[in-house]
Amino acid sequence: KAGVTQTPRYLIKTRGQQVTLSCSPISGHRSVSWYQQTPGQGLQFLFEYFSETQRNKGNFPGRFSGRQFSNSRSEMNVSTLELGDSALYLCASSLAGGRNEQFFGPGTRLTVL
Amino acid sequence: QKEVEQNSGPLSVPEGAIASLNCTYSDRGSQSFFWYRQYSGKSPELIMSIYSNGDKEDGRFTAQLNKASQYVSLLIRDSQPSDSATYLCAVNVGSNYQLIWGAGTKLIIKP
Repeated sequence: KAGVTQTPRYLIKTRGQQVTLSCSPISGHRSVSWYQQTPGQGLQFLFEYFSETQRNKGNFPGRFSGRQFSNSRSEMNVSTLELGDSALYLCASSLAGGRNEQFFGPGTRLTVL
Repeated sequence: QKEVEQNSGPLSVPEGAIASLNCTYSDRGSQSFFWYRQYSGKSPELIMSIYSNGDKEDGRFTAQLNKASQYVSLLIRDSQPSDSATYLCAVNVGSNYQLIWGAGTKLIIKP
């Protein structure tokens, strides 16, 4: 069974630009969660989508948004990029959310210049 | 504020010894508990999940859950240098089963 895939793997943007990251979950998984991880920091939860609905949301500004499509694929968008947005963005999928095991994709490394 | 706490380490263990990693959580209603391993620059990898009080063994790994004391631990037997990584504890909380993550414990296995 194919794992979680994320595209692109690397991105370089400049301040003020916007970016869209994509995540394809494991087949049959309906929950997708997004995390931000900066050097030396733990996983910071962004949001979780289940059946195209945002079910949980972390403490991030409105510049961070996401959506999920009917095939469970998910995208997250960051508008008006700031230097502090440079991070590894991780997507994780699970069958139905928090009570189930989450499986991570390889991540997208975003650098904001 | 629901919390999951781990000792940040680093925890240094000689090769071949038992590494013991601990995690405490604040939400008494939590029902699902997970241990992940993360190598530097890589994404987290699921090691164990545990849902009931007691021990759960998988190869060299044993997860221990004590809901009364609100802690979950991970034991790694016969530690190998390849076990050197950051270990993350995650616990589900709330009616929406949001996963709350500890900050991770850095484990170093000395040859």
